[in-house]
Amino acid sequence: KQEVTQIPAALSVPEGENLVLNCSFTDSAIYNLQWFRQDPGKGLTSLLLIQSSQREQTSGRLNASLDKSSGRSTLYIAASQPGDSATYLCAVKPFWNNYGQNFVFGPGTRLSVLP
Amino acid sequence: NAGVTQTPKFQVLKTGQSMTLQCAQDMNHEYMSWYRQDPGMGLRLIHYSVGAGITDQGEVPNGYNVSRSTTEDFPLRLLSAAPSQTSVYFCASSNNGAATQYFGPGTRLTVL
Repeated sequence: KQEVTQIPAALSVPEGENLVLNCSFTDSAIYNLQWFRQDPGKGLTSLLLIQSSQREQTSGRLNASLDKSSGRSTLYIAASQPGDSATYLCAVKPFWNNYGQNFVFGPGTRLSVLP
Repeated sequence: NAGVTQTPKFQVLKTGQSMTLQCAQDMNHEYMSWYRQDPGMGLRLIHYSVGAGITDQGEVPNGYNVSRSTTEDFPLRLLSAAPSQTSVYFCASSNNGAATQYFGPGTRLTVL
């Protein structure tokens, strides 16, 4: 059964700092991996989707990498801003749906960017 | 284009009551899913549908029922609410099972 973990659970940084969020998954048999942002009391917004054949995806100040063989992904945020404060979740799409799993989500990293 | 909409936003039930959470999307997506989000546990899949008339169980289906009579709508029914079903419920849709998912704003449910 696929499991996803995210470290750290919470992170607080000063504005302007570059930062890295980590995501680990137990089974490398995946279709893709997505990073989402969730603001308090809101739904999830997709940030980046990386196919299993890709190594990274970029969107503006965000860069996500994928190392499928080691079961890891990182989300790099450059020049952080207070508006980046949110919870960031990663989710993997397993090849096999044996446990009723579709996208398997990590618990998230809560990011606070201080002005 | 409203995306994915959910109603109600908040709901309080007593143990044993039943209710339906509504979800609708206007993007003509075939794939729709229901998740619940609990503190420290991430999102867990309850039920999903790959098209009108086709539904399947997710990871935590017990106590919930779904149907998909149209492409646009995917309601989630709580048959007999229990305190363990207190959670935030999210509906999502996508073009297919592996594509980017679009989420609704969520329904916060409390069962007393």
